[in-house]
Amino acid sequence: AQSVTQPDIHITVSEGASLELRCNYSYGATPYLFWYVQSPGQGLQLLLKYFSGDTLVQGIKGFEAEFKRSQSSFNLRKPSVHWSDAAEYFCAVAASGGSYIPTFGRGTSLIVHP
Amino acid sequence: NAGVTQTPKFRVLKTGQSMTLLCAQDMNHEYMYWYRQDPGMGLRLIHYSVGEGTTAKGEVPDGYNVSRLKKQNFLLGLESAAPSQTSVYFCASSYMGLAKNIQYFGAGTRLSVL
Repeated sequence: AQSVTQPDIHITVSEGASLELRCNYSYGATPYLFWYVQSPGQGLQLLLKYFSGDTLVQGIKGFEAEFKRSQSSFNLRKPSVHWSDAAEYFCAVAASGGSYIPTFGRGTSLIVHP
Repeated sequence: NAGVTQTPKFRVLKTGQSMTLLCAQDMNHEYMYWYRQDPGMGLRLIHYSVGEGTTAKGEVPDGYNVSRLKKQNFLLGLESAAPSQTSVYFCASSYMGLAKNIQYFGAGTRLSVL
Protein backbone atom coordinates (compact mmCIF):
# COMPACT_ATOMS: atom_id res chain seq x y z
CA ALA A 1 0.00 0.00 0.00
CA GLN A 2 1.09 3.54 -0.65
CA SER A 3 1.72 6.17 1.99
CA VAL A 4 2.52 9.88 2.11
CA THR A 5 4.50 11.94 4.57
CA GLN A 6 4.35 15.70 4.84
CA PRO A 7 7.00 16.41 7.45
CA ASP A 8 6.04 20.03 8.10
CA ILE A 9 2.81 20.66 9.98
CA HIS A 10 3.15 24.45 9.69
CA ILE A 11 5.25 26.65 7.43
CA THR A 12 5.52 30.41 7.88
CA VAL A 13 6.83 32.64 5.12
CA SER A 14 6.83 36.34 4.39
CA GLU A 15 4.86 37.63 1.45
CA GLY A 16 7.09 37.71 -1.62
CA ALA A 17 9.41 35.01 -0.32
CA SER A 18 9.87 31.67 -2.02
CA LEU A 19 8.12 28.55 -0.80
CA GLU A 20 8.86 24.85 -0.76
CA LEU A 21 6.51 22.31 0.82
CA ARG A 22 7.87 18.82 1.25
CA CYS A 23 6.18 15.56 0.36
CA ASN A 24 7.65 12.07 0.53
CA TYR A 25 5.82 8.99 -0.63
CA SER A 26 6.16 5.27 -0.34
CA TYR A 27 5.12 3.12 -3.27
CA GLY A 28 6.83 0.28 -5.10
CA ALA A 29 6.34 1.52 -8.66
CA THR A 30 5.93 4.91 -10.29
CA PRO A 31 3.05 6.58 -8.51
CA TYR A 32 0.51 9.13 -9.50
CA LEU A 33 1.14 12.24 -7.40
CA PHE A 34 -1.03 15.22 -6.58
CA TRP A 35 -1.03 18.45 -4.65
CA TYR A 36 -4.32 19.88 -3.42
CA VAL A 37 -5.00 23.20 -1.69
CA GLN A 38 -7.71 23.86 0.86
CA SER A 39 -8.62 27.46 1.62
CA PRO A 40 -10.28 28.12 4.99
CA GLY A 41 -13.82 26.77 5.07
CA GLN A 42 -13.54 25.29 1.60
CA GLY A 43 -13.09 21.92 -0.03
CA LEU A 44 -9.89 20.75 -1.66
CA GLN A 45 -8.87 21.99 -5.09
CA LEU A 46 -6.32 20.31 -7.34
CA LEU A 47 -3.15 22.39 -7.82
CA LEU A 48 -1.22 20.00 -10.02
CA LYS A 49 -0.62 16.36 -10.79
CA TYR A 50 2.08 14.02 -12.04
CA PHE A 51 1.21 10.91 -14.01
CA SER A 52 4.27 10.41 -16.23
CA GLY A 53 6.71 12.24 -18.47
CA ASP A 54 8.37 15.52 -17.53
CA THR A 55 9.21 15.39 -13.85
CA LEU A 56 8.69 19.12 -13.39
CA VAL A 57 4.99 19.88 -13.52
CA GLN A 58 3.27 23.23 -13.58
CA GLY A 59 0.02 23.91 -11.84
CA ILE A 60 -2.45 26.65 -11.19
CA LYS A 61 -1.74 29.83 -9.20
CA GLY A 62 1.95 29.79 -10.15
CA PHE A 63 2.82 26.56 -8.33
CA GLU A 64 5.11 23.84 -9.60
CA ALA A 65 6.30 20.51 -8.26
CA GLU A 66 9.16 18.20 -9.11
CA PHE A 67 9.01 14.42 -8.99
CA LYS A 68 12.31 12.94 -7.83
CA ARG A 69 12.21 9.18 -8.00
CA SER A 70 15.57 8.74 -6.26
CA GLN A 71 14.33 10.67 -3.24
CA SER A 72 10.69 9.47 -3.37
CA SER A 73 9.69 13.09 -3.21
CA PHE A 74 7.24 15.44 -4.86
CA ASN A 75 7.92 18.87 -3.37
CA LEU A 76 5.73 21.84 -4.13
CA ARG A 77 7.32 25.19 -4.92
CA LYS A 78 6.38 28.76 -5.63
CA PRO A 79 8.94 31.52 -6.34
CA SER A 80 6.98 34.36 -4.69
CA VAL A 81 4.20 33.79 -2.19
CA HIS A 82 1.11 36.00 -2.06
CA TRP A 83 -1.00 36.54 1.06
CA SER A 84 -3.85 34.70 -0.66
CA ASP A 85 -1.73 31.52 -0.73
CA ALA A 86 -2.32 31.04 3.00
CA ALA A 87 -4.11 27.70 3.15
CA GLU A 88 -3.73 24.02 3.93
CA TYR A 89 -1.81 21.99 1.36
CA PHE A 90 -2.19 18.27 0.90
CA CYS A 91 0.02 15.89 -1.01
CA ALA A 92 -1.58 12.69 -2.28
CA VAL A 93 -0.35 9.51 -3.95
CA ALA A 94 -2.24 6.91 -5.95
CA ALA A 95 -1.08 3.60 -7.31
CA SER A 96 -0.42 3.63 -11.04
CA GLY A 97 -1.57 0.03 -11.20
CA GLY A 98 -4.32 -1.40 -9.09
CA SER A 99 -6.23 0.72 -6.58
CA TYR A 100 -6.99 4.18 -7.85
CA ILE A 101 -7.89 5.53 -4.42
CA PRO A 102 -5.48 8.33 -3.46
CA THR A 103 -3.84 8.38 -0.05
CA PHE A 104 -3.52 11.84 1.45
CA GLY A 105 -0.83 13.25 3.66
CA ARG A 106 -1.75 15.00 6.89
CA GLY A 107 -1.35 18.41 5.35
CA THR A 108 0.88 21.46 5.77
CA SER A 109 -0.60 24.72 6.95
CA LEU A 110 0.94 27.73 5.20
CA ILE A 111 0.98 31.02 7.08
CA VAL A 112 1.92 34.13 5.14
CA HIS A 113 3.20 37.21 6.97
CA PRO A 114 2.82 40.62 5.35
CA ASN B 1 -21.50 24.89 -12.94
CA ALA B 2 -22.25 23.34 -9.52
CA GLY B 3 -19.69 20.49 -9.43
CA VAL B 4 -20.00 18.66 -6.11
CA THR B 5 -22.65 19.90 -3.70
CA GLN B 6 -22.95 18.81 -0.09
CA THR B 7 -25.94 19.33 2.15
CA PRO B 8 -26.22 20.39 4.89
CA LYS B 9 -23.21 22.66 5.44
CA PHE B 10 -23.50 22.57 9.24
CA ARG B 11 -25.24 20.29 11.67
CA VAL B 12 -25.33 19.76 15.42
CA LEU B 13 -26.53 16.41 16.73
CA LYS B 14 -27.03 14.91 20.14
CA THR B 15 -25.42 11.58 20.93
CA GLY B 16 -27.56 8.76 19.60
CA GLN B 17 -29.34 10.79 16.94
CA SER B 18 -29.21 9.81 13.31
CA MET B 19 -28.70 11.85 10.18
CA THR B 20 -27.92 11.60 6.49
CA LEU B 21 -25.45 13.72 4.57
CA LEU B 22 -26.18 14.19 0.90
CA CYS B 23 -23.62 14.55 -1.85
CA ALA B 24 -24.66 15.41 -5.39
CA GLN B 25 -22.43 15.77 -8.44
CA ASP B 26 -23.37 17.00 -11.89
CA MET B 27 -20.24 15.89 -13.77
CA ASN B 28 -21.45 12.38 -14.60
CA HIS B 29 -18.60 10.91 -12.54
CA GLU B 30 -18.54 7.20 -11.90
CA TYR B 31 -16.59 7.26 -8.65
CA MET B 32 -17.66 8.97 -5.46
CA TYR B 33 -16.06 9.12 -2.00
CA TRP B 34 -16.74 10.19 1.54
CA TYR B 35 -13.87 11.46 3.71
CA ARG B 36 -13.61 12.85 7.18
CA GLN B 37 -11.08 15.50 8.12
CA ASP B 38 -9.81 15.88 11.65
CA PRO B 39 -7.06 18.20 12.89
CA GLY B 40 -3.63 16.74 12.21
CA MET B 41 -5.09 13.64 10.56
CA GLY B 42 -5.52 14.78 6.99
CA LEU B 43 -8.31 13.13 5.04
CA ARG B 44 -9.40 9.63 5.89
CA LEU B 45 -11.59 7.63 3.54
CA ILE B 46 -14.86 6.40 5.06
CA HIS B 47 -16.60 4.71 2.13
CA TYR B 48 -16.50 4.95 -1.62
CA SER B 49 -18.47 3.88 -4.67
CA VAL B 50 -17.32 2.84 -8.12
CA GLY B 51 -20.74 3.13 -9.68
CA GLU B 52 -24.47 3.23 -9.15
CA GLY B 53 -25.59 0.52 -6.74
CA THR B 54 -22.07 -0.31 -5.51
CA THR B 55 -20.29 0.75 -2.32
CA ALA B 56 -17.13 -0.29 -0.50
CA LYS B 57 -15.46 0.36 2.83
CA GLY B 58 -12.55 2.70 3.22
CA GLU B 59 -10.12 3.24 6.05
CA VAL B 60 -12.59 4.29 8.78
CA PRO B 61 -16.04 2.86 7.96
CA ASP B 62 -17.29 1.96 11.44
CA GLY B 63 -20.41 3.84 12.51
CA TYR B 64 -21.27 4.93 8.97
CA ASN B 65 -23.36 3.55 6.14
CA VAL B 66 -23.66 4.71 2.55
CA SER B 67 -25.92 4.28 -0.44
CA ARG B 68 -25.58 5.09 -4.13
CA LEU B 69 -29.02 4.58 -5.58
CA LYS B 70 -28.48 7.15 -8.31
CA LYS B 71 -25.25 7.84 -10.14
CA GLN B 72 -25.23 11.50 -9.21
CA ASN B 73 -25.91 11.04 -5.48
CA PHE B 74 -23.92 9.46 -2.66
CA LEU B 75 -25.46 9.44 0.81
CA LEU B 76 -23.60 9.05 4.08
CA GLY B 77 -25.62 7.93 7.09
CA LEU B 78 -24.89 8.02 10.79
CA GLU B 79 -27.28 5.65 12.54
CA SER B 80 -26.38 6.56 16.12
CA ALA B 81 -24.09 9.56 16.31
CA ALA B 82 -21.21 9.59 18.78
CA PRO B 83 -18.98 12.50 19.89
CA SER B 84 -16.07 10.80 18.09
CA GLN B 85 -17.89 11.50 14.84
CA THR B 86 -17.53 15.24 15.32
CA SER B 87 -15.60 16.17 12.21
CA VAL B 88 -15.69 17.87 8.84
CA TYR B 89 -17.00 15.56 6.15
CA PHE B 90 -16.03 15.91 2.52
CA CYS B 91 -17.52 14.27 -0.51
CA ALA B 92 -15.52 13.88 -3.69
CA SER B 93 -16.05 12.42 -7.14
CA SER B 94 -13.87 11.42 -10.05
CA TYR B 95 -13.96 10.12 -13.61
CA MET B 96 -13.11 6.67 -14.80
CA GLY B 97 -10.04 6.15 -16.97
CA LEU B 98 -6.67 7.82 -16.73
CA ALA B 99 -8.08 10.80 -14.88
CA LYS B 100 -9.83 8.63 -12.35
CA ASN B 101 -7.48 9.65 -9.59
CA ILE B 102 -8.27 13.36 -9.90
CA GLN B 103 -10.87 14.14 -7.32
CA TYR B 104 -13.33 17.01 -7.20
CA PHE B 105 -14.41 18.00 -3.72
CA GLY B 106 -17.47 19.54 -2.17
CA ALA B 107 -17.22 22.39 0.33
CA GLY B 108 -17.74 20.10 3.32
CA THR B 109 -20.23 19.47 6.10
CA ARG B 110 -19.25 20.49 9.61
CA LEU B 111 -20.82 18.12 12.11
CA SER B 112 -20.78 18.46 15.87
CA VAL B 113 -22.05 15.63 18.07
CA LEU B 114 -22.76 16.69 21.64
